[in-house]
Amino acid sequence: SYVLTQPPSVSVAPGKTARITCGGNNIGSKSVHWYQQKPGQAPVLVIYYDSDRPSGIPERFSGSNSGNTATLTISRVEAGDEADYYCQVWDSSSVVVFGGGTKLTVL
Amino acid sequence: EVQLVESGGGLVKPGGSLRLSCAASGFTFSSYSMNWVRQAPGKGLEWVSSISSSSSYIYYADSVKGRFTISRDNAKNSLYLQMNSLRAEDTAVYYCARETLSGRAPFDYWGQGTLVTVSS
Repeated sequence: SYVLTQPPSVSVAPGKTARITCGGNNIGSKSVHWYQQKPGQAPVLVIYYDSDRPSGIPERFSGSNSGNTATLTISRVEAGDEADYYCQVWDSSSVVVFGGGTKLTVL
Repeated sequence: EVQLVESGGGLVKPGGSLRLSCAASGFTFSSYSMNWVRQAPGKGLEWVSSISSSSSYIYYADSVKGRFTISRDNAKNSLYLQMNSLRAEDTAVYYCARETLSGRAPFDYWGQGTLVTVSS
């Protein structure tokens, strides 16, 4: 089955740029979606189809996907961005795969 | 406003059964594929099952195949998950989530979840 690998944690100072990676075999050929989850809350879609942003999501959130790595980039990080972030793809067998999640800490 | 409200969680003994429900409102439920996603305490998200808008296509994670059954009632705007032969490792918050209308779609709306605890 398809595996998505995320770093367990990423730390960044306020105002700086955070990059959260999602690795998978030839992930560039798949569509990647990203979710933000704050403690005690349901996940929220922040990036879909690699780089599209739902309405209401700040422009500071962007995404890219190429080769074996997809990346969620958060510019000008704020304290409110502290959360767990998950990447997601659909496997070829119509199965959904989530990455293990990355805890973003704002220093 | 799109709303998804799960119910039916609770404490159940290993080997027992439970039926989760997800009541949908604020959108044309019969047009959307729906999913169940779970999250064990302190762990990441795990996809459980999906069902297409007309129930024609149903898929399960290997971890629940043969034990869980997803279904829907479009007349009642409701999604269900029948869980049998429950194990301790099924303990999790269970979310229902809506797929967008496009292919290989993301989940654009999620419920708040219902907690299932499997313990003797």
